[in-house]
Amino acid sequence: SAVISQKPSRDICQRGTSLTIQCQVDSQVTMMFWYRQQPGQSLTLIATANQGSEATYESGFVIDKFPISRPNLTFSTLTVSNMSPEDSSIYLCSVEDGFLAGGRNEQFFGPGTRLTVL
Amino acid sequence: DAKTTQPNSMESNEEEPVHLPCNHSTISGTDYIHWYRQLPSQGPEYVIHGLTSNVNNRMASLAIAEDRKSSTLILHRATLRDAAVYYCIRGGGSNYKLTFGKGTLLTVNP
Repeated sequence: SAVISQKPSRDICQRGTSLTIQCQVDSQVTMMFWYRQQPGQSLTLIATANQGSEATYESGFVIDKFPISRPNLTFSTLTVSNMSPEDSSIYLCSVEDGFLAGGRNEQFFGPGTRLTVL
Repeated sequence: DAKTTQPNSMESNEEEPVHLPCNHSTISGTDYIHWYRQLPSQGPEYVIHGLTSNVNNRMASLAIAEDRKSSTLILHRATLRDAAVYYCIRGGGSNYKLTFGKGTLLTVNP
């Protein structure tokens, strides 16, 4: 299994500023993902972080608002830019590790970063 | 569109079995059924997955209907630690993305 850490664990930010969230994995993994969980809601996939190339964004999410870096197979960052109170959410990193024969890989999730925008 | 349907909430008593249903009537032949759960203030964790046959692991069992249009996650003896939101997710093959629905909030009473 993969162990994932995120920094910061929480933050309170002013509107108009930006915050960069870091995701570190204890082993090399192929797939890394970023999710958002708004208060009381389920998880929504923001993007897939691709190593060595631009991230792949889901509908409704754009690179200018959520730039993502993936410099190597164990690390990624998500920046929430020009924040507004609507960006207050938990942001989670997940990775896909290993291969389960005949099926999808299991995903492991980080503990999340709780962001509050005032 | 999560493409699965689950009850919003369920209740169970400690040490009793729990059956969590999921409807996925439009599932394709290559889609697997995955279950994740999210404990309070934590990220989701994998529980189990299957394609056609029933599956067992140390956490739970997964019973899949013969027509694959529904499945049931079985916790054999619920503990207080099993209180969580349980997500039933369909997907597989080259579709590695997890699409989370609203899930079922399981409450376990002592």
